[in-house]
Amino acid sequence: QLQLQESGPGLVKPSETLSLTCTVSGDSISSSGFYWGWIRQPPGKGLEWIGSIYWSGSAYYNPSLKSRVTISVDTSKNQFSLKLSSVTAADTAVYYCARHAYDSSGYWFDPWGQGTLVTVSS
Amino acid sequence: SSELTQDPAVSVALGQTVRITCQGDTLRSYYASWYQRKPGQAPVLVIYGKNNRPSGIPDRFSGSSSGNTASLTITGAQAEDEADYYCYSRDSSGYHHYVFATGTKVTVL
Repeated sequence: QLQLQESGPGLVKPSETLSLTCTVSGDSISSSGFYWGWIRQPPGKGLEWIGSIYWSGSAYYNPSLKSRVTISVDTSKNQFSLKLSSVTAADTAVYYCARHAYDSSGYWFDPWGQGTLVTVSS
Repeated sequence: SSELTQDPAVSVALGQTVRITCQGDTLRSYYASWYQRKPGQAPVLVIYGKNNRPSGIPDRFSGSSSGNTASLTITGAQAEDEADYYCYSRDSSGYHHYVFATGTKVTVL
């Protein structure tokens, strides 16, 4: 059974870089036909797609975050990672990783990690 | 980038049917996927593609699409269906950009 688990600091200072890792178990991150994505949900707000990456390293980012986001993949560890620079309080959110699947009809995330709360505060 | 919009909230009597809609130009090109999110839990995929349910999702959940509108229907709503529901799709700009809608809070009375 495919499972994803986020890990990383739960508290980040303003202007610093948020770093999270998603560990994939139950399948290879190099499986063809899937991207791997990051999504976040600020308190009291909706879901926001941050970006997605293919096992080869091709990555796509939300235009509103592109200047601050880097997503990378480590196939040897079956992990992919998120870095978000110059964070502010507005980046406080629950961060989720998920497998980003697609076919000719559309796109979807399944399964999701349990999520990790990251608070930006001094 | 495209936007997807949903009604903020809807209520349904126990056992009745509720339809949640999602509107956006991108839905003319791509099917939406739908997610259920309960407090303190990660979102769960309930519908994807034309009308596909992942394993474990009850058949009271169904999806449809027409023009720029995608719909999620819960037929015979149960108390455990009370949650926030989000639709999601690829942006129609031609780039690999994706967007979630604003979400609908479903209350089961």
